[in-house]
Amino acid sequence: DTGVSQDPRHKITKRGQNVTFRCDPISEHNRLYWYRQTLGQGPEFLTYFQNEAQLEKSRLLSDRFSAERPKGSFSTLEIQRTEQGDSAMYLCASSFEGGRAATQYFGPGTRLLVL
Amino acid sequence: AQSVAQPEDQVNVAEGNPLTVKCTYSVSGNPYLFWYVQYPNRGLQFLLKYITGDNLVKGSYGFEAEFNKSQTSFHLKKPSALVSDSALYFCAVTTIKAAGNKLTFGGGTRVLVKP
Repeated sequence: DTGVSQDPRHKITKRGQNVTFRCDPISEHNRLYWYRQTLGQGPEFLTYFQNEAQLEKSRLLSDRFSAERPKGSFSTLEIQRTEQGDSAMYLCASSFEGGRAATQYFGPGTRLLVL
Repeated sequence: AQSVAQPEDQVNVAEGNPLTVKCTYSVSGNPYLFWYVQYPNRGLQFLLKYITGDNLVKGSYGFEAEFNKSQTSFHLKKPSALVSDSALYFCAVTTIKAAGNKLTFGGGTRVLVKP
């Protein structure tokens, strides 16, 4: 079991640029989540997928953010026209939802710094 | 709405002494409760969870947590702390009503175990 992986681990960009992050979940996990964690805070839910369907989006996910999970495998999170307020750690998690409250396993995160 | 409070920003404990990290929650309905640990520049590692049944839950690395419904608490405990337990600890809650069982996290408690 290789765990959840995320790429890149770090990203520095200039305000106004677009960035894209990738998440590879644990194989056979049907749910994939994105969370955002700012310095000194707990993670906040952004969105989740059940297989390839995006079923819930937080109000934190402005129209500059888009997420996809083609074929129900890996997922990408794109931020367009980045702002300094987007600087945060972006965490991906996956779970196999076959019952009540399956454990979500987190990746190492992508730390974004917008200059 | 679901929420989690971790009233202590930091807990200091001497190595070998008992460690307690406090967590209280607020949900509508039955809670599913989780503890995660985060080391510097890393993602979250799952420690334990409560879904139903025995109020005392045992988890990884010698940690345990006690669910108290009347006090809406889920405190994390370890009988004898190690220096390597120094990290950031997060309590999280979800319910069967939450879309995708999305997690709501507390603000985190930093644990410092001194030799």
